[in-house]
Amino acid sequence: EAGVAQSPRYKIIEKRQSVAFWCNPISGHATLYWYQQILGQGPKLLIQFQNNGVVDDSQLPKDRFSAERLKGVDSTLKIQPAKLEDSAVYLCASSLDRVGTEAFFGQGTRLTVV
Amino acid sequence: AQSVTQPDIHITVSEGASLELRCNYSYGATPYLFWYVQSPGQGLQLLLKYFSGDTLVQGIKGFEAEFKRSQSSFNLRKPSVHWSDAAEYFCAVADTSGTYKYIFGTGTRLKVLA
Repeated sequence: EAGVAQSPRYKIIEKRQSVAFWCNPISGHATLYWYQQILGQGPKLLIQFQNNGVVDDSQLPKDRFSAERLKGVDSTLKIQPAKLEDSAVYLCASSLDRVGTEAFFGQGTRLTVV
Repeated sequence: AQSVTQPDIHITVSEGASLELRCNYSYGATPYLFWYVQSPGQGLQLLLKYFSGDTLVQGIKGFEAEFKRSQSSFNLRKPSVHWSDAAEYFCAVADTSGTYKYIFGTGTRLKVLA
């Protein structure tokens, strides 16, 4: 079974530029999550999709971050414009939404804003 | 609201020694509980999970965890640590009301001395 795929693995941009991350979840997983992990901290949930719909985006900085999930499968997370404090690893995860299952994580995209 | 506390930011043990990583959670009902491990530059890998039943759960790589409802704890243990166990460990709680929202602790970084 293929895992959660993310690209790119690394990205360096200047502040005020824009950037986009892509995630392909495990086939059949209804729920997709984007987490932000700042160095030395635990992952923080940015947005959670169930199929096409948003379940939770309470911690997404909506003035600069946006996310979409096309046809309930792939997802993109965009930052525009980026700030220095956005430097972090962005993790995508997916789950089956069934009792007894867990979230599976991709390897993440490390973003550095200079 | 859900929350997870990992009181130890760093732990250092000698190879072959026993290990216990602490996790306390806050949740109104019986939660789903997880321990994940993250090696440098890698995504999160599931070590074990608890949903119901036996409060002592076994995981991969020789790890186990015990759910104690009275203490709102889910501590991770290993009888004999190997140098390859050096990594960051995250405790997580997932909502059981149907949203499957995962909240992570801040992590415990484990260092193993040869």
